[in-house]
Amino acid sequence: EAEVAQSPRYKITEKSQAVAFWCDPISGHATLYWYRQILGQGPELLVQFQDESVVDDSQLPKDRFSAERLKGVDSTLKIQPAELGDSAMYLCASSYLSTSGGDTQYFGPGTRLTVL
Amino acid sequence: KQEVTQIPAALSVPEGENLVLNCSFTDSAIYNLQWFRQDPGKGLTSLLLIQSSQREQTSGRLNASLDKSSGRSTLYIAASQPGDSATYLCAVRRGGADGLTFGKGTHLIIQP
Repeated sequence: EAEVAQSPRYKITEKSQAVAFWCDPISGHATLYWYRQILGQGPELLVQFQDESVVDDSQLPKDRFSAERLKGVDSTLKIQPAELGDSAMYLCASSYLSTSGGDTQYFGPGTRLTVL
Repeated sequence: KQEVTQIPAALSVPEGENLVLNCSFTDSAIYNLQWFRQDPGKGLTSLLLIQSSQREQTSGRLNASLDKSSGRSTLYIAASQPGDSATYLCAVRRGGADGLTFGKGTHLIIQP
């Protein structure tokens, strides 16, 4: 069964350093999402792509976060500089919007970021 | 702004019991609602998706209902098992391709 791949699974960094996360969605899924989940909370949407275009980045802290999906397939989320409050699980999801309109978002295993 | 609330925040029951998890949302103009399971330190696994025009969906021992007008959904788990122990998250989508708005989840423990 096809899965969303993410790497690394775990990342420890010091504050003010740069970090990057990678996501490879399920083949054929045009829509890709990045979420951030703080411990004990539900995930919150950071950015959404449709193919290579950003559809929604209203919740992305653009002073330090950036995201790209250059060829409309895999995606990278970057934080520079990292802050203590960025410690969280970063989840990637993808979906295929069917002609019937209903679709399911499939999530990857996540990247656990710890900022020291 | 859409807000999703899940009650209870935590639940511990003996094996074999039937149980209900509750989800409420403030804006009834949703496209669909999805229930997920999350094991500790892991990603999310989709359990059930209910379109706004549907009233319920079933998968095995799981049944999810949706009352869109009142802004409520329930997840019913029949004959609970220790392997059902996890955090259950409810999420709603405003439009067909929009991102999801999640609740904080219900942490479920099934005692053997």
